[in-house]
Amino acid sequence: QVQLVQSGAEVKKPGSSVKVSCKASGGSLSTYAISWVRQAPGQGLEWVGGIIPIFDTPNYAQNFQGRVTITTDESTTTGYMQLSSLRSEDTAVYYCARLDPTYSGYDYWGQGTLVTVSS
Amino acid sequence: DIQMTQSPSSLSASVGDRVTITCRASQGIGNDLDWYQQKPGKAPERLIYAASSLQSGVPSRFSGSGSGTEFTLTINSLQPEDFATYYCLQHNRYPFTFGPGTKVDIK
Repeated sequence: QVQLVQSGAEVKKPGSSVKVSCKASGGSLSTYAISWVRQAPGQGLEWVGGIIPIFDTPNYAQNFQGRVTITTDESTTTGYMQLSSLRSEDTAVYYCARLDPTYSGYDYWGQGTLVTVSS
Repeated sequence: DIQMTQSPSSLSASVGDRVTITCRASQGIGNDLDWYQQKPGKAPERLIYAASSLQSGVPSRFSGSGSGTEFTLTINSLQPEDFATYYCLQHNRYPFTFGPGTKVDIK
């Protein structure tokens, strides 16, 4: 059974950066591709970006291009999402999710990490 | 990018009702569509993958259909635990995109 455990809540100043982690257990990160989805307060789900498994490279949503970096550390089976130049609109819960290796889409999710951007 | 729309954006229903939610894609995506359920304060959970396949452990009252640009999630005999928000996700082309969600609440 795959489990994804994310790092704890963060409070950041506008203009700073945040790095959220997602540790996988019950499997190898090299077998999976991790994506990140965010949800602003009271809003819907927004795809941030993810690792494309065939190429092992990240793809990012246009809204985050230039500000987000998604990486993986296979030695610790941990995925990371770094978001820079934070603004108040980035206040949200950030989820990691595993890309289903057979059917695509997301079959396992982390518990979510609240990132609050406030001066 | 592929745009996803959902209708309705919200609905009120009673226990035992049959509920249908529609998701439309701005271009054809084959059957590369999932449905997710999200309850307040919780991570989303997948209900349906590949448009019509039931995720393991999900009750059989949930079903999905469609292909191309139009998809449907049906909940037969709505149960109290089904009151939640439902999202579709296209994973045919990067960037993946979610629908805006449909909130199902108690009438």
